[in-house]
Amino acid sequence: NAGVTQTPKFRVLKTGQSMTLLCAQDMNHEYMYWYRQDPGMGLRLIHYSVGEGTTAKGEVPDGYNVSRLKKQNFLLGLESAAPSQTSVYFCASGYNEQFFGPGTRLTVL
Amino acid sequence: GENVEQHPSTLSVQEGDSAVIKCTYSDSASNYFPWYKQELGKRPQLIIDIRSNVGEKKDQRIAVTLNKTAKHFSLHITETQPEDSAVYFCAEENYGGSQGNLIFGKGTKLSVKP
Repeated sequence: NAGVTQTPKFRVLKTGQSMTLLCAQDMNHEYMYWYRQDPGMGLRLIHYSVGEGTTAKGEVPDGYNVSRLKKQNFLLGLESAAPSQTSVYFCASGYNEQFFGPGTRLTVL
Repeated sequence: GENVEQHPSTLSVQEGDSAVIKCTYSDSASNYFPWYKQELGKRPQLIIDIRSNVGEKKDQRIAVTLNKTAKHFSLHITETQPEDSAVYFCAEENYGGSQGNLIFGKGTKLSVKP
């Protein structure tokens, strides 16, 4: 089992560009999450999903959109990237115990 | 809103000493408290968790204690080793918001000096 995977691992964007981060899990989890991790700020929840076709806002949702068309996939989109979105993004799945992906390091210039 | 305060933000100990990290939470309805370890450049991974129906849980050199009255819980690492060096995050279940969601502390960077 691969667990939770994320693509891409690294990305550099220019301000105003768009991109989509893909998260996939093979553990049949209903719950999936997107976090961002910034130095000294811990893990902050962007959006989450409690099942296929559902999404909800977390603590820091502005500037991001998500979709959960298939149970195993959770997509995070940035429509118009800003330097403040430079961060490491982690996807996770699970209820209570969460299993994290390897992360995506995004730099917005 | 709910939040979790974690202290200290950095902790340096000699190999073989004990390390203690403390967290306080605000939602009295929360009943699940995990601890995650994140090594440099890696993903966070669960190392131990505790539910509100127990006061202490141990797993080899690590233990977690919970005081529901005072709304705080602590991670204890005994006989520390260099491989314990990492950032540790406490969390509480966001019971008052969406169950299953976790609210994380800001992390403690533990350095174990050989």
